[in-house]
Amino acid sequence: QVQLVQSGADVKHLGASVKVSCKASRYTFTGYYMHWVRQAPGQGLEWMGRINPHSGGTNYAQKFQGRVTMSRVTSISTAYMDLSRLTSDDTAVYYCARDLGNNWSFDYWGQGTLVTVSS
Amino acid sequence: QSALTQPASVSGSPGQSITISCTGTSSDVGGYNYVSWYQQHPGKTPKLMIYEVSNRPSGVSNRFSGSKSGNTASLTISGLQAEDEADYYCSSYTPSTTLFGGGTKLTVL
Repeated sequence: QVQLVQSGADVKHLGASVKVSCKASRYTFTGYYMHWVRQAPGQGLEWMGRINPHSGGTNYAQKFQGRVTMSRVTSISTAYMDLSRLTSDDTAVYYCARDLGNNWSFDYWGQGTLVTVSS
Repeated sequence: QSALTQPASVSGSPGQSITISCTGTSSDVGGYNYVSWYQQHPGKTPKLMIYEVSNRPSGVSNRFSGSKSGNTASLTISGLQAEDEADYYCSSYTPSTTLFGGGTKLTVL
């Protein structure tokens, strides 16, 4: 069974950066795009971007351009999402999610990482 | 780009069928067959229920079906069961982003 295991909850101050990891197992990591989606408390889902683990190529939502960096280390099958200049609006659960087949649907999700931004 | 439009809530009795709509534009839902639906129970991670408009992943009940007409996609759940009570989100590919709907809360009466 495919597994995506994310790093633990984090608390950051305003203006700081956060880096969330997503370790994949039980499938070929480089064979599937990895997306990042976030969900603010009581709110809906919001797509942040994706990374091609094979090439390292990325696509980011315009809203996050300049503030988000997605990366990966293939030797340990781990993807990362780095978000800088945090504001209170960035308080959310951050998910990594595997692309089913480059068709922009997400068949496996990490357990989520709660990032709380406080003053 | 705006989020896709879903009704805030729908409800139905056990055994009935319900349909959740997801309205976009010709630049997203209407322009591509990359519409997905996700189920999310409170405190849980989203689960893929439908991909590419009408395809069900392995393990998803055939009580769930998807369709699209013009700029509106739909998720139909037949034979409602108590366990279907959850939030449902649609999503659509666009060349610049993936859009999600605002979510629909399904209540099984």
